[in-house]
Amino acid sequence: DAGITQSPRHKVTETGTPVTLRCHQTENHRYMYWYRQDPGHGLRLIHYSYGVKDTDKGEVSDGYSVSRSKTEDFLLTLESATSSQTSVYFCAISTSGLGTEAFFGQGTRLTVV
Amino acid sequence: GNSVTQMEGPVTLSEEAFLTINCTYTATGYPSLFWYVQYPGEGLQLLLKATKADDKGSNKGFEATYRKETTSFHLEKGSVQVSDSAVYFCALSEGSQGNLIFGKGTKLSVKP
Repeated sequence: DAGITQSPRHKVTETGTPVTLRCHQTENHRYMYWYRQDPGHGLRLIHYSYGVKDTDKGEVSDGYSVSRSKTEDFLLTLESATSSQTSVYFCAISTSGLGTEAFFGQGTRLTVV
Repeated sequence: GNSVTQMEGPVTLSEEAFLTINCTYTATGYPSLFWYVQYPGEGLQLLLKATKADDKGSNKGFEATYRKETTSFHLEKGSVQVSDSAVYFCALSEGSQGNLIFGKGTKLSVKP
């Protein structure tokens, strides 16, 4: 299995609080991604990174920010959590991006109450 | 914009039945196409892929052929097993960043 660790695996938080999810990889892959999975929507891209300090927005980036200060870590922050951000969040990594396989973490189940 | 449409299911089959999950895509260029599988409580893992027209991806008895003329990438397996019960996602990737666009997923249940 690809060395991807997401933390925490489960979290319940209150509306309006900040939340940070962490993705850690041991594969030294250049590309890292955050997706959210919701019933009826499949997975949708939130943000991605193509190198240290190089990030860009995905399809559903509103309300989220990311940071990548080291190759191995990609953080997803919800500045002020809302109930619409209740979801399962997956981190993924890949080597070269173009046409290559993405390896996924186990996911973080976030509930905003 | 780019998109993926797949049959949503759920699909329930008996063991050893033939499986087809339809997937069609819309893309402006020449995407790579993927099938990912998600077992209960786990992340997604690559099942197979094809990077150009007429390529056939195959793995664990599953097959899919990249059909540019019909913009399709249907997943097939000749004889399903109970252990194939999972959610299957069709996806495409276009451009150099590797961003994936997923279909909504198809839940497959195989009964003994």
